[in-house]
Amino acid sequence: RKEVEQDPGPFNVPEGATVAFNCTYSNSASQSFFWYRQDCRKEPKLLMSVYSSGNEDGRFTAQLNRASQYISLLIRDSKLSDSATYLCVVYREGSARQLTFGSGTQLTVLP
Amino acid sequence: SAVISQKPSRDICQRGTSLTIQCQVDSQVTMMFWYRQQPGQSLTLIATANQGSEATYESGFVIDKFPISRPNLTFSTLTVSNMSPEDSSIYLCSVDSGGGTQYFGPGTRLLVL
Repeated sequence: RKEVEQDPGPFNVPEGATVAFNCTYSNSASQSFFWYRQDCRKEPKLLMSVYSSGNEDGRFTAQLNRASQYISLLIRDSKLSDSATYLCVVYREGSARQLTFGSGTQLTVLP
Repeated sequence: SAVISQKPSRDICQRGTSLTIQCQVDSQVTMMFWYRQQPGQSLTLIATANQGSEATYESGFVIDKFPISRPNLTFSTLTVSNMSPEDSSIYLCSVDSGGGTQYFGPGTRLLVL
């Protein structure tokens, strides 16, 4: 089983739609959680951190359920510019201070 | 946020040769990381580059194949040695900004023929 698993996608949604991505992680010792965004042929960039209380950044809402080891990202009022691959990322401090990346969910917002 | 540059941005190499990728950061950082992203897949950590000590390699990656240098707090190199077509990938360096967030370089796209 992969340490971080995401919706396989791809998601193709019309402009203005609301779309949700899900992610589960297997290691209960994981400490921090993030969503990164990766545009085609570009490097990943941090979109937002995910907190237990849930957090919002404009049209983006992230949720964390530690008991279920589940993370979600909700995008409201999708824009064409939201088209990208969204990576669920889990952080666990250790000797390597490693981030573990999910395989990513591809989103295409259609006009 | 850190500004990270990588050289070369892309290369096409013959099997059996080696390529050294450079990563430069605009500020001093303790830890730098090297990742591989194979076509259509997510990122896999190759190793953590520590200044003043040997790199720490992840399972499946060895120093003979991916030697790493870290001569100072702003620079690191990754060499892909004795390349085969299976090494065709994007190689990315990153730095840790604290609390688990990382900033990535633009990547080096490698094609091995």
